[in-house]
Amino acid sequence: QSVLTQPPSASGTPGQRVTISCSGSSSNIGSNSVYWYQQLPGTAPKLLIYSNNQRPSGVPDRFSGSRSGTSASLAISGLRSEDEADYYCAAWDDSLRGWVFGGGTKLSVL
Amino acid sequence: EVQLVESGGGLVQPGGSLRLSCAASGFTFSNYDMHWVRQGTGKGLEWVSGISSAGDTFYLGSVKGRFTISRENAKNSLYLQMNSLRAGDTAVYYCARGAATGFDPWGQGTLVTVSS
Repeated sequence: QSVLTQPPSASGTPGQRVTISCSGSSSNIGSNSVYWYQQLPGTAPKLLIYSNNQRPSGVPDRFSGSRSGTSASLAISGLRSEDEADYYCAAWDDSLRGWVFGGGTKLSVL
Repeated sequence: EVQLVESGGGLVQPGGSLRLSCAASGFTFSNYDMHWVRQGTGKGLEWVSGISSAGDTFYLGSVKGRFTISRENAKNSLYLQMNSLRAGDTAVYYCARGAATGFDPWGQGTLVTVSS
């Protein structure tokens, strides 16, 4: 049982916009920045979004993040086949004094 | 190029010990926090431990007292000493550089299997 809650799966067709939610609490998302990581099959995770809504250089602007209260979301517009991957949200938890991840969402591009 | 390379994984019996290493290159290692994150087969990511640039350490509750994170700045290296290993510790262990901008980059991971 992960501290942050994500839907186990999401899907969309090429060109569509999909969103992935991440629900937490006041001790993590409610008071700290949210990060999103993309893990392509068989590879190490890669940073996708930091500080709730910032994109590292090299990440396409099709990817965007937002945070509201104790929840966050990742949006992917103009869906492409290469976006098929697992997506994880993460945040620092003040109560646990450690980083917590969501259980991950497997995105399928139909 | 910023790079992290883990080593030291392998097969160990329950109750045994293992020491993981992470060799860093391409950046000023001493200026950054460093972390270990693990992933069981077919499972999600789980943060295990972190060490700040100042040497402060943080641990996942279930590994506290069994795992010890350390760093050797002169060798640009991060370590994870794992004692009293359990089957539930079986996973790929990644090291990652930490900053306000997130865990970036990640190493390729090293597999730890705890089994008799």
